Amino acid sequence: GENVEQHPSTLSVQEGDSAVIKCTYSDSASNYFPWYKQELGKRPQLIIDIRSNVGEKKDQRIAVTLNKTAKHFSLHITETQPEDSAVYFCAAPSGAQKLVFGQGTRLTINP
Amino acid sequence: GAGVSQSPSNKVTEKGKDVELRCDPISGHTALYWYRQRLGQGLEFLIYFQGNSAPDKSGLPSDRFSAERTGESVSTLTIQRTQQEDSAVYLCASSLNRDEQYFGPGTRLTVL
Repeated sequence: GENVEQHPSTLSVQEGDSAVIKCTYSDSASNYFPWYKQELGKRPQLIIDIRSNVGEKKDQRIAVTLNKTAKHFSLHITETQPEDSAVYFCAAPSGAQKLVFGQGTRLTINP
Repeated sequence: GAGVSQSPSNKVTEKGKDVELRCDPISGHTALYWYRQRLGQGLEFLIYFQGNSAPDKSGLPSDRFSAERTGESVSTLTIQRTQQEDSAVYLCASSLNRDEQYFGPGTRLTVL
C-alpha cells in the first residue's frame, strides 16, 4: 500500500516569509495529491490539490508542486500571515478509494 | 448546503463501557470514512464505506471497534469495552469519490 512521509513535523517562520512543506509517496501509480489545513480545535479542510498531469498549481499565496519522477510533492505558502498558523496534512491515494495522510506539519507564524 | 455532522461533539465515558458515535454525511456522497486523531497526532484511517460495497475495515485497531452504514446515509462507529487508549477525536468524512473529502467536526472521546 501507499506510504506517505511528511517533513518537517514543525516549522516556524517569520510573518511575511515563505514556508515549504514536503511529502514523499511510494506508489508510482498515485495520481492525486491534496493538502489539508487543520486549525486548532477545528476539522481538516482541503486547501489545494494537484493531479499528476500537471507539475504545479497555484491559488493566491498557496502553491503545490509535484515531481512524479522523484515521487514527492510540496506545499508552498508565500507572504505568510498569522492566520496561516495551523497543522498541514498531505495525502496520497492508496488503491482506488482511500487516501493515506502524512503525519502533519505544525506551522507557526511569528509576528 | 449542510456539511458533515457528527454527534455527540464530546463524550466522556468510563473504562469498560460501550460508546456509539454518529456521522451524518453530505447528502449524495457515496463514500464515508472514519478516522481517529489522537492529541497532536495525524489522521489514522479506521474504516471506509462506498455505496453498497463491502466496507474496507483494514484500519480498525481491534475487534472492539465496529461500524455500520445504512445505504448512503448515517454511519455509526461503535467501540465496545472502551479503554483509556481509545481517548481521541473521531473524525468522519464523506466524498463523492476518492478525491475531496469533507470532514465533520469530530467527536472528542475521553475514557476515564
